[in-house]
Amino acid sequence: DIQMTQSPSSVSASVGDRVTITCRASQGVSNWLAWFQQKPGKAPQLLIYAISRLQSGVPSRFSGSGSETDFTLTISGLQPEDFATYYCQQTDSFPPTFGGGTKLEIK
Amino acid sequence: EVQLVESGGGLVQPGGSLRLSCTASGFTFSTYWMTFIRQAPGKGLEWVANIRQDGDEKWYVDSVQGRFTISRDNAKNLVFLQMNSLRAEDTAVYYCARVANRYFDSWGQGTLVTVSS
Repeated sequence: DIQMTQSPSSVSASVGDRVTITCRASQGVSNWLAWFQQKPGKAPQLLIYAISRLQSGVPSRFSGSGSETDFTLTISGLQPEDFATYYCQQTDSFPPTFGGGTKLEIK
Repeated sequence: EVQLVESGGGLVQPGGSLRLSCTASGFTFSTYWMTFIRQAPGKGLEWVANIRQDGDEKWYVDSVQGRFTISRDNAKNLVFLQMNSLRAEDTAVYYCARVANRYFDSWGQGTLVTVSS
């Protein structure tokens, strides 16, 4: 199985800050990389797919980049509604696997 | 609007069975793979099973292989997860999701399964 490792596991930031979350795959996943946002008590929501493509309705302050094994999610100009947990996921090979999550907290 | 609504969760004893249902609406259900993902309390996300559009291809995570069965009824826009021989470690919120070009693009609200005596 492909292991997905996210860092940091938690981060504190302020409204207006720029935050970067990283995700490393144990082997190349081509462009089969997605990012999800999950708020407490809610289902995850797809933010970004294919490394950098924004899902419909997702604000442009979210962006994704990277290739093969190393990926980043950047949020530019944090808004109060962005404080949540973020997960990366690979769907290059079975089983699809998720990173452990990064909790973004208000400083 | 795509909607997915899970039902069937609850409290079950170890070794027991439960069947989850997921009702889909707002899209052409029969043209999409469907999937279940679970999340243990306070933990991360774990993919559980996938089913192809026609129901003839199914995939499972190793930990549920032989105990869980995914199925679907395209006439009623339903996908099911039959869970047998349940263990404490199966306790989780179970989500169904639509698979669009390998990505899980729409999720239900989840249903809680608790395995405990």
